[in-house]
Amino acid sequence: GESVGLHLPTLSVQEGDNSIINCAYSNSASDYFIWYKQESGKGPQFIIDIRSNMDKRQGQRVTVLLNKTVKHLSLQIAATQPGDSAVYFCAEMGALIFGKGTTLSVSS
Amino acid sequence: DTAVSQTPKYLVTQMGNDKSIKCEQNLGHDTMYWYKQDSKKFLKIMFSYNNKELIINETVPNRFSPKSPDKAHLNLHINSLELGDSAVYFCASSQKREKLFFGSGTQLSVL
Repeated sequence: GESVGLHLPTLSVQEGDNSIINCAYSNSASDYFIWYKQESGKGPQFIIDIRSNMDKRQGQRVTVLLNKTVKHLSLQIAATQPGDSAVYFCAEMGALIFGKGTTLSVSS
Repeated sequence: DTAVSQTPKYLVTQMGNDKSIKCEQNLGHDTMYWYKQDSKKFLKIMFSYNNKELIINETVPNRFSPKSPDKAHLNLHINSLELGDSAVYFCASSQKREKLFFGSGTQLSVL
């Protein structure tokens, strides 16, 4: 069946560093992806999305890159702040499948 | 004003009991969902309703029964609770298959 997976379960960075969280998917027909952020005790929140007709999309301090050839997407967070500490999920929106989540820890 | 609200936030109960979780969205969305998050943070879809009609019903024990009285509400009723049902349950809504808006979750503990 379809799957969506994250490469690293945890990522620890220093405040001010750039963070990169990676995700792989299995279905080459997948055409819509979303990154969500889940803070402790809360539900996942939308960060940024990308459709398959794009390779890159930028938001405020965040960039999502999509490589359809290798079925890979990444979330880049610039100048990571302690408030960015959370669990990050990529989701494939066709089958509504979430990856397993990467816990980002930011130390100051 | 909370966009997706679910109650209760915490639910502690004994094995074998029946319980319900309620969810309401005020975003005017046409689709609502229930997700289960296990202790390893893995999120798995359980059900999806579009305009009160069930459209996704994943492999979930039939002890779980969703009910949508109108498109702004999606409740989850669980019969004969088991230890393995302990998890955090999230309600979410979206307009078609666009970005999901999640509630803050219901932590269910079955003793």
